[in-house]
Amino acid sequence: EADIYQTPRYLVIGTGKKITLECSQTMGHDKMYWYQQDPGMELHLIHYSYGVNSTEKGDLSSESTVSRIRTEHFPLTLESARPSHTSQYLCASSEQGGYGYTFGSGTRLTVV
Amino acid sequence: QQQVKQSPQSLIVQKGGIPIINCAYENTAFDYFPWYQQFPGKGPALLIAIRPDVSEKKEGRFTISFNKSAKQFSLHIMDSQPGDSATYFCAARDYGQNFVFGPGTRLSVLP
Repeated sequence: EADIYQTPRYLVIGTGKKITLECSQTMGHDKMYWYQQDPGMELHLIHYSYGVNSTEKGDLSSESTVSRIRTEHFPLTLESARPSHTSQYLCASSEQGGYGYTFGSGTRLTVV
Repeated sequence: QQQVKQSPQSLIVQKGGIPIINCAYENTAFDYFPWYQQFPGKGPALLIAIRPDVSEKKEGRFTISFNKSAKQFSLHIMDSQPGDSATYFCAARDYGQNFVFGPGTRLSVLP
């Protein structure tokens, strides 16, 4: 089983609300990533981190922000949710020089 | 140059058939090529991977074929089963040791 956990699994929230999607891993991986994915569709990198206090924007422009205060924790925050943010958000991690990513099960976000 | 192209977008085969998913890349600095399998409601999971100095790798019913000169690689699923129905992503590792993913192929294996 993957040792990367995302909560909540499902979230329905109203427009304008602030939300934080949680991602934690117990593998001690330095690198962590957030992807946005419409069901069964392409993975779009929105944020990544190479370690504590390191965060970078990915290829897909996103109105979300991330923080990396602890190695194991990489939360993603939307200050003001909009219907266009409706999607699945996947968190992943890898070790330095690693041979692949370990993905969480995702958070399915619906903004109404 | 950071792109990985993948085809087909979707694929339907009968049980026992051999679906083939193809990927291509331009960046010769890519040095590792994994495939991921994703079931609905789950995150992608690493399925099988290959290094560019190897032309073929087999694990169970899954085989990767790699053509370094053509910068192409493909996934073959032998004796496919309905349980193989999923979305498959090819990927490539870049110089920063991050992975670039193809756009995915939705496979349906009919009983």
